[in-house]
Amino acid sequence: EAGVAQSPRYKIIEKRQSVAFWCNPISGHATLYWYQQILGQGPKLLIQFQNNGVVDDSQLPKDRFSAERLKGVDSTLKIQPAKLEDSAVYLCASSLGAEDEKLFFGSGTQLSVL
Amino acid sequence: KNEVEQSPQNLTAQEGEFITINCSYSVGISALHWLQQHPGGGIVSLFMLSSGKKKHGRLIATINIQEKHSSLHITASHPRDSAVYICAVSGTSGSRLTFGEGTQLTVNP
Repeated sequence: EAGVAQSPRYKIIEKRQSVAFWCNPISGHATLYWYQQILGQGPKLLIQFQNNGVVDDSQLPKDRFSAERLKGVDSTLKIQPAKLEDSAVYLCASSLGAEDEKLFFGSGTQLSVL
Repeated sequence: KNEVEQSPQNLTAQEGEFITINCSYSVGISALHWLQQHPGGGIVSLFMLSSGKKKHGRLIATINIQEKHSSLHITASHPRDSAVYICAVSGTSGSRLTFGEGTQLTVNP
């Protein structure tokens, strides 16, 4: 079974530039999550989708971050403009249904903002 | 105070030792996850449990709902077990996962 696919694996940008990350969850998984993990900390939820609807985006900095999941499958997360403090690993995860289902994580995108 | 607290933050062991990592939480939960994160970011789900105990190979996870506490045990530890182990809880249905800060485990040969 294919896992959660993320790209790119690494991204280096300068502050004030824009960046986009892509995630393809496991086929059939209705729930998709984007997490931000700053070095030395646990992941922090940015946004949770159920199919193509947003369930929770309360911790998403909406002035610069946006995410969409058109057609309820792939998802993109965008940062515009990036700040130094956005340097982190951005993790995508999916699960079959609700949050008490087993999670499957992608390998993450390591973002460095210079 | 964080909703999910892990201890210890760092743990160094010799190969073969029995290892315990603890997780305490302060909210009502529907499930607790133990995750393993290797250098480079990849996260693997080890266990998801809502009661009792689960075992997979050398790994054992237990949870005590009344005490709001879970433990992850590794028997006969090996250097390849070196990783960050993260505890995460999901609250009542529909609420987000809350993650602990992780425990960095290093197993020396």
